[in-house]
Amino acid sequence: EAQVTQNPRYLITVTGKKLTVTCSQNMNHEYMSWYRQDPGLGLRQIYYSMNVEVTDKGDVPEGYKVSRKEKRNFPLILESPSPNQTSLYFCASSLVGGPETQYFGPGTRLLVL
Amino acid sequence: QKEVEQNSGPLSVPEGAIASLNCTYSDRVSQSFFWYRQYSGKSPELIMSIYSNGDKEDGRFTAQLNKASQYVSLLIRDSQPSDSATYLCAVNRGWQAGTALIFGKGTTLSVSS
Repeated sequence: EAQVTQNPRYLITVTGKKLTVTCSQNMNHEYMSWYRQDPGLGLRQIYYSMNVEVTDKGDVPEGYKVSRKEKRNFPLILESPSPNQTSLYFCASSLVGGPETQYFGPGTRLLVL
Repeated sequence: QKEVEQNSGPLSVPEGAIASLNCTYSDRVSQSFFWYRQYSGKSPELIMSIYSNGDKEDGRFTAQLNKASQYVSLLIRDSQPSDSATYLCAVNRGWQAGTALIFGKGTTLSVSS
């Protein structure tokens, strides 16, 4: 089954404690992206990657890091989480250059105390 | 000017009526346009894509695109309570399909039985 998986699905942490949210896709997609979704602000792109070892900032990259060492994985790293990073996070993937759109993971709900 | 704009709603329609959702975008070079449905706490789910001016029908859904006016709409015929959700308009940033989607903040639709 074609899918994007994220782990963990729910996470409560404290300010300053480093965390990683994993994202994996099994569709051999080149493009992967991270979004955060907040009430009244909609979906906003954090980082994206056009292929292995190629990453770039989206609209709200501050406080986040990413890496793309393998085509299927695109982890999101919060080195020192703060309460304003409490949000619902989605990973997505797609083919580059084709008409297909992005497939979304199930989401990770993060609470930073 | 915001890149993708939607009325936040809520848009309330009775069961069986036509729901009309509207979206405007600012980037004239955009080539790909999408409508996603998102239930509360769930990931966005693609329901329609449109790439050419005019109408595209899929079951009870019709997407309409007018590139000259930079306007995309979604019509839902015979609305059902299960259609109650937030509808996100998404537009490709630039010319490359399948990547860098920009989302509107979404319109909440409520269908009453």
